[in-house]
Amino acid sequence: NAGVTQTPKFQVLKTGQSMTLQCAQDMNHEYMSWYRQDPGMGLRLIHYSVGAGITDQGEVPNGYNVSRSTTEDFPLRLLSAAPSQTSVYFCASSYRQTNTEAFFGQGTRLTVV
Amino acid sequence: DQQVKQNSPSLSVQEGRISILNCDYTNSMFDYFLWYKKYPAEGPTFLISISSIKDKNEDGRFTVFLNKSAKHLSLHIVPSQPGDSAVYFCAINAGGTSYGKLTFGQGTILTVHP
Repeated sequence: NAGVTQTPKFQVLKTGQSMTLQCAQDMNHEYMSWYRQDPGMGLRLIHYSVGAGITDQGEVPNGYNVSRSTTEDFPLRLLSAAPSQTSVYFCASSYRQTNTEAFFGQGTRLTVV
Repeated sequence: DQQVKQNSPSLSVQEGRISILNCDYTNSMFDYFLWYKKYPAEGPTFLISISSIKDKNEDGRFTVFLNKSAKHLSLHIVPSQPGDSAVYFCAINAGGTSYGKLTFGQGTILTVHP
């Protein structure tokens, strides 16, 4: 079972560069989300999607774009990377129902220099 | 304003003893409470959950307690094992149409010594 797959696992960017973090899930989950984890701050929600074609902002959306063209994929785009975006990024998915857990990918460690 | 707080950054316990991890929240409308475990270089994995209609849920060595009046959640691990050493996050779902939208605490690093 693949579950939630994130690529790449590691990435170093220069300030101002753009890139896309990929996320794919094979569990037919309607709900997908992106979190970032920073030291001492837990995981914070960046963007989420309740289904194909529907996305919304989370707690820390600035500097990030998302789209959801299929149920399986939910890429996160950094348009112009900044050092403040150095973090570990996690993608998660879950069923579109209450009282259910989210399943997480392995994470992408991004460093912006 | 942090809605979910884990006030202990770390906890050290001897193998075989009880580990108690705590979590406080501010919003009484929160509906569903979860604990995640995270090893280095891996994603968080779901451990145990509890609905707001209950005050206790057990799964093997893991028990979660919910005190709604105090807005407090705790995870008990008995007996603790070295393999339990990890970062533990409490996470809360607001309910309704929030689905998988979770608010996390800062995490507690648990170290279980052999």
